[in-house]
Parts: sequence; C-alpha cells; structure tokens
Amino acid sequence: QSALTQPPSVSGSPGQSVTISCTGTSSDVGSYNLVSWYQQPPGTAPKLMIYEVNNRPSGVPDRFSGSKSGNTASLTISGLQAEDEADYYCSSYTSSSTYVFGTGTKVTVL
Amino acid sequence: QVQLVQSGAEVKKPGASVKVSCKASGYTFTTHAIHWVRQAPGQRLEWMGWISADNGNTKYSQNFQGRVTITRDTSASTAYMELSSLRSEDTAVYYCARRPFGSSWCDFWGQGTLVTVSS
Repeated sequence: QSALTQPPSVSGSPGQSVTISCTGTSSDVGSYNLVSWYQQPPGTAPKLMIYEVNNRPSGVPDRFSGSKSGNTASLTISGLQAEDEADYYCSSYTSSSTYVFGTGTKVTVL
Repeated sequence: QVQLVQSGAEVKKPGASVKVSCKASGYTFTTHAIHWVRQAPGQRLEWMGWISADNGNTKYSQNFQGRVTITRDTSASTAYMELSSLRSEDTAVYYCARRPFGSSWCDFWGQGTLVTVSS
C-alpha cells in the first residue's frame, strides 16, 4: 500500500488560509468518506483534527475544515495562527480493510 | 480520563525482537480497537496494524511481511505489538492509538515508545 500524496510544505501569514491536499486512489480516498486528518507538533503524538472527511471532534477550532473530491481530500486552515504550526497527516481506510497515512505536510506560519 | 500509557524505550540488536505494551485506562477496553503506528526519525507516520480488543481479531499491513504480531490481554486492559527480525530501518517511535468501534479514526494516542536497532 503506497502512502497518500501530500505537499511537503505549505506556509501562510497569520490570519491567512492554507489548504493541504491529500491524493490517493480509487482503492482508498476515492471509495470511502473515511478520511481523517492529524496534527503533530514536533516531538509529540498525533492529534485528531478531522474525521470522516469533514467532521471536527469536540475541542477542535472551527478554523479547521475538510473536504473531498474524487481521489483527493483537503484540509483547510482558515485564520492561520502561530499555534497551528505543525506537521499534518491525512489517513484513509482502504479496500483491503487496512489504513494508510499520507506523506505529511509541514505547515509554517510566517 | 482516557489514557494510553506505553512501555519505555528499547535498544535492540539486528535480528532480535521487541515487544511494546500499551496500557489503557479511563474507558472500557473491549469497546475499542487498538492501532499501532510507527514513525522513523524525520519520516512520516506508517500504519502497522490493529487489534479488536473484544475478540482479538487482527489486521496487519503487508509492508511488514509477517514480522508484526499484535495481541491483547483484556484482564490487564493492555495491547502489545511485537516486531521480529529487527533491522536498522525499524528504528522509530512506535505509537498505539484507540479507535472506537464503528469508526475509522483514532481519537486518543499513547505517548510513543522509541525503539532503537543498533549493533
């Protein structure tokens, strides 16, 4: 199972919006609305930010939103804040009943 | 509160095996699955497999070609991940994470266990 493809890095100034893409195949992202997004600051465990494409767990700011079109899912951070600087990973359920993570994206707040 | 507490760091020689534990508390252990995910230094998250805490059913990533075994002890609310035939590329932080039944996401993660493989 190959990793889902994400851009290595994205950046933005405080208050701006950034979008991270996550491209898979018809065997994972394209076939299921079972895409999650995780935030991982340096040296810490991942934290769930979005589940089932566009749902936020309790406590996650509404600045974070998700969407999907075809084989590509996206995470948008609106009103970027310094505390959002971290690595972000997408994850999808697959047709083999397994899971796969993305390659990861480093978000930098300028 | 929900907690997943993992065992401490390990140093192993190539060819050896390692077994990492993940003790759950603050919820009913058998109503969730436990996933194992690893992260080599500076690298991405890599999914390894999961176990259903109620009946012990497992599913593994083919990337580990039979080297990984995930088990659980319901009496101790603890899951285990054993990786055999270790090589230097297995040096990584290993995480356990909880997935509620019927969901596709992991909502709580352990603190991670560093496994170093070195001769």
